Amino acid sequence: QSALTQPPSASGSPGQSVTISCTGASSDVGDYNYVSWYQHHPGKAPKLMIYEVSKRPSGVPDRFSGSKSGNTASLTVSGLQAEDEADYYCSSYAGSNNLVFGGGTKLTVL
Amino acid sequence: EVQLLESGGGLVQPGGSLRLSCAGSGFTFNTYAMSWVRQAPGKGLEWVSGIGGSGNSRYYADSVKGRFTISRDNSKSTLYLQMNSLRAEDTALYYCAKGPGFSVTTHFDFWGQGTLVTVSS
Repeated sequence: QSALTQPPSASGSPGQSVTISCTGASSDVGDYNYVSWYQHHPGKAPKLMIYEVSKRPSGVPDRFSGSKSGNTASLTVSGLQAEDEADYYCSSYAGSNNLVFGGGTKLTVL
Repeated sequence: EVQLLESGGGLVQPGGSLRLSCAGSGFTFNTYAMSWVRQAPGKGLEWVSGIGGSGNSRYYADSVKGRFTISRDNSKSTLYLQMNSLRAEDTALYYCAKGPGFSVTTHFDFWGQGTLVTVSS
């Protein structure tokens, strides 16, 4: 499977909102409502932020939200905070117990 | 508290073998599917292999099929990845990740901190 496409970087000032896109294909993002998003601070374990397109695990602030339209999913971070600065990866189920990831987006809080 | 602790990484020559381990705690290990996910230097995440809760169902990315074998010992709450015929492009930080259920994995709700594998002569 081909990797999902994410912008390499995104940025915003504290308090602003930023949206990160994740483009796949009709065989993964477009076919399943199983898109997830992970926050990764280098040197630490990745953390699940969104699953099944728009669901938040317990403990994840509601400033993080997810959506999907066609073959493209999006992660929106509202009210940006300094601790949100990290790498963000999207992932989608691609059938037959396979998963595909995006290349990652480095979010900078200006 | 869910904890996943990987071990077994190191430096290995091309064509060599290595076995990674991941010890799980804080959850009922045998009721969850588990996976290995890797990150090559400067690259994004790549799903490598997954295994169902009982160990009977195993899945592999095309890039490792025929060379890597995933297994688990539920009596020891430990996940393994046997890596043979290693190539330079297998150099990566290997993460152990827990699925949300027994069989099909649609996302990973907990991850370890990873173990580094370097394939070089």
